[in-house]
Amino acid sequence: DGGITQSPKYLFRKEGQNVTLSCEQNLNHDAMYWYRQDPGQGLRLIYYSQIVNDFQKGDIAEGYSVSREKKESFPLTVTSAQKNPTAFYLCASRRTGPQNTEAFFGQGTRLTVV
Amino acid sequence: AQKITQTQPGMFVQEKEAVTLDCTYDTSDQSYGLFWYKQPSSGEMIFLIYQGSYDEQNATEGRYSLNFQKARKSANLVISASQLGDSAMYFCAMREPGGYQKVTFGIGTKLQVIP
Repeated sequence: DGGITQSPKYLFRKEGQNVTLSCEQNLNHDAMYWYRQDPGQGLRLIYYSQIVNDFQKGDIAEGYSVSREKKESFPLTVTSAQKNPTAFYLCASRRTGPQNTEAFFGQGTRLTVV
Repeated sequence: AQKITQTQPGMFVQEKEAVTLDCTYDTSDQSYGLFWYKQPSSGEMIFLIYQGSYDEQNATEGRYSLNFQKARKSANLVISASQLGDSAMYFCAMREPGGYQKVTFGIGTKLQVIP
């Protein structure tokens, strides 16, 4: 079945460690997105990518990094520079083109710093 | 500056009644898209409805309709005949103008349907 897979579902990280969240899609979508969700703050955009080997900072990119070496994959690294990384992270993808299309989401990764 | 504003942190509605969730947006461009998503307590994001800025008719999908008022920059979601399963967070989002396909979300409205 086509869709977006995020892994792992739950992730625990020690302070000072980098950690990478995986996002894979087999929908042949060009655009991919990473959002962070905190209670009462909705979804905030971290990074997004329109095509392979190109990505843009979103509204809260500090302390995060991404890569887009393959169309299907858009991993997010939460670095030790991120002051408060405990949150729910959502990855999304969407088809681009003349018609606007909705974003499809993965099931999310809940990251906890211990 | 906030691009998407949802001013209702929480809403209650009686089962079988209709409810309107508010969303206003900020853009000076003419080409953009507006979306609504539902997020149940399980955390998954469920797409509900889409409205393009050039669409002349308000979008409808089953019990969901979008009250699009371009001049007022509002895109309110109307849910008719509310069901208990409609209890969830609802997010308004905008595909911003420009070539980078940026999609930003509001902070959401928590809807609770009362039996």
